[in-house]
Amino acid sequence: DTEVTQTPKHLVMGMTNKKSLKCEQHMGHRAMYWYKQKAKKPPELMFVYSYEKLSINESVPSRFSPECPNSSLLNLHLHALQPEDSALYLCASSQEVGVGNQPQHFGDGTRLSIL
Amino acid sequence: AQTVTQSQPEMSVQEAETVTLSCTYDTSESDYYLFWYKQPPSRQMILVIRQEAYKQQNATENRFSVNFQKAAKSFSLKISDSQLGDAAMYFCAYTWGNNNDMRFGAGTRLTVKP
Repeated sequence: DTEVTQTPKHLVMGMTNKKSLKCEQHMGHRAMYWYKQKAKKPPELMFVYSYEKLSINESVPSRFSPECPNSSLLNLHLHALQPEDSALYLCASSQEVGVGNQPQHFGDGTRLSIL
Repeated sequence: AQTVTQSQPEMSVQEAETVTLSCTYDTSESDYYLFWYKQPPSRQMILVIRQEAYKQQNATENRFSVNFQKAAKSFSLKISDSQLGDAAMYFCAYTWGNNNDMRFGAGTRLTVKP
């Protein structure tokens, strides 16, 4: 069982659609992350939220818009995506930002396919 | 630049045998942390083991242990008594200082043969 829950598990959308990916954790973690993982590649960091504030944006295109409504929830809003955005999107959380040895706990990911 | 290199794209091991996965990293930081994550076909990334750079003693978690060679910037993972459930993609990862920007190696796919 994963302590970080991501929904949906699979998403197929057209390039003109607007959709959102959701991530939830109830471990009291104050840092949350979005990663993008292409097939047979390692995860690439997209965003980091610390205490509900965006602390790292790894030059991600504006068609990806993160949101952290509260300390347990992290959303990734998608709009006008491109076929190359098809990937596994992983959410993770850790106790704190600024403490490098904190392990990150990952969800099962959302498999996104752009038509 | 902080980089992580896993030079073995694929490895295989016989059930109950021992296998070692290699990882090297490049850093100028003195305060950093190293991790091994496992990603089975179920997709979830699972922490296997972690090592703080300031600790000389190699980390151990049951059948999993590391050989941390700080001077050589090497951080290999040894899996003893391999089990079928160990089959997965293994990623070596690195963070540094007060930074949570985790950098991953390219991964090693481990196959366990019955």
